[in-house]
This record gives sequence, structure tokens and C-alpha cells, in this order.
Amino acid sequence: AQSVTQPDIHITVSEGASLELRCNYSYGATPYLFWYVQSPGQGLQLLLKYFSGDTLVQGIKGFEAEFKRSQSSFNLRKPSVHWSDAAEYFCAVGGGYQKVTFGTGTKLQVIP
Amino acid sequence: EAQVTQNPRYLITVTGKKLTVTCSQNMNHEYMSWYRQDPGLGLRQIYYSMNVEVTDKGDVPEGYKVSRKEKRNFPLILESPSPNQTSLYFCASSLLDNSPLHFGNGTRLTVT
Repeated sequence: AQSVTQPDIHITVSEGASLELRCNYSYGATPYLFWYVQSPGQGLQLLLKYFSGDTLVQGIKGFEAEFKRSQSSFNLRKPSVHWSDAAEYFCAVGGGYQKVTFGTGTKLQVIP
Repeated sequence: EAQVTQNPRYLITVTGKKLTVTCSQNMNHEYMSWYRQDPGLGLRQIYYSMNVEVTDKGDVPEGYKVSRKEKRNFPLILESPSPNQTSLYFCASSLLDNSPLHFGNGTRLTVT
């Protein structure tokens, strides 16, 4: 069965600092991988996706993620965090037939 | 504007009183699904639909029903709600299988 682990429940970073959110997945074949962001009171918005090809994926709002098959990881990064990035971030793996499994999320707090 | 619309945004009801949460998308998407979000558990899939009249169970279907009579609509029905169905519910749609999901803004349901 597919699964996603986000080991960090809560992360605090200073504005302007770099960010890395961890995501590990379990899936039997080449996965479809996603990162979504959820602002308070909102639905989830896609940040980026990986299907195949280049393992470094660029997304919206200056985010990027790197697919590492050997480590079963798909970590999200941003070189310089802005206060507006404070939100909850979800990693997800897609397994066909709409079988999308989400991680439990990482809440990002940004301090001035 | 391309969107997924859920109604209502907030709903408080009592145990056993049937309710329906509506979901509509204007993107002509084939796939639609329902998720519930609970603290510490991330999003869990309730039901999904790959086309009109085609639906299937997700990870937590007990106590829920869905129907897909038209491509744009995918209502979630709770025939006899119970307090353990108190949650934040999201409807989502996607163009193709494993395409990124487009989410509604959520329905916060409280069952007393």
C-alpha cells in the first residue's frame, strides 16, 4: 500500500531564511508526487508536481522539490521564506484511479 | 473562473439528521473526489468518481454516500450523521487520473 510520511509536524523559520520540508513516500512503482499548500480557511493549492523526467521540479511561489528515488524522498525547498508562506504543507503520492494518499502535513510558522 | 464550489461552508447538525454537502466544478473534469481532514491525520479519501455514474470507495467510506448523475456535480450524503463525522470536508476534481487536484474551500461539519 502506498503511504506518505511528513516527519515534521511543525516548523518555525525566520523570514528570509531557507526552508526544507521533508517528505518520504512508499510506492511500488514510479510515483506521481505532489506538494500542496493550505492557507487558513482555504482549500489546498498545488505548489508543484513530479511525474517523470528532471528530478528537480520548480513550482509556484519560488518553491522547488527534488525527487530522490534512492531515498524515496520528495523534499520541498525554498531559498528565502516570506511571511506569506506561513501555511500548512502537504505532500501526496498518486497511485492511479484517483488513489491519492496525503501526508499528515507540516505547519510552517514564519517569524519576523 | 475555474473553480470547485462546495456548499455550505459551515454546517452544524444533530445526530441522525440526514444532510447533503454539494460540490460542483466548472472545468469539465472527469474525476471528482471527497476528502475529510482531521488534525494529525491529513486528508483521507472518502469516495471518488471517474465519470458519470462511476463511483468507488476511498479509504474511509463508512457512513457516507455519493452520486454522480452529472459530470459537474458530486454531492456527499450523510444519511445518519454521527459525532465521529465531525470534520472538515473537501471536494476535489481533476482532469485526468493522477492530474493535480483542484480543491473547493471546504465544508466544516459539526455533528452534536
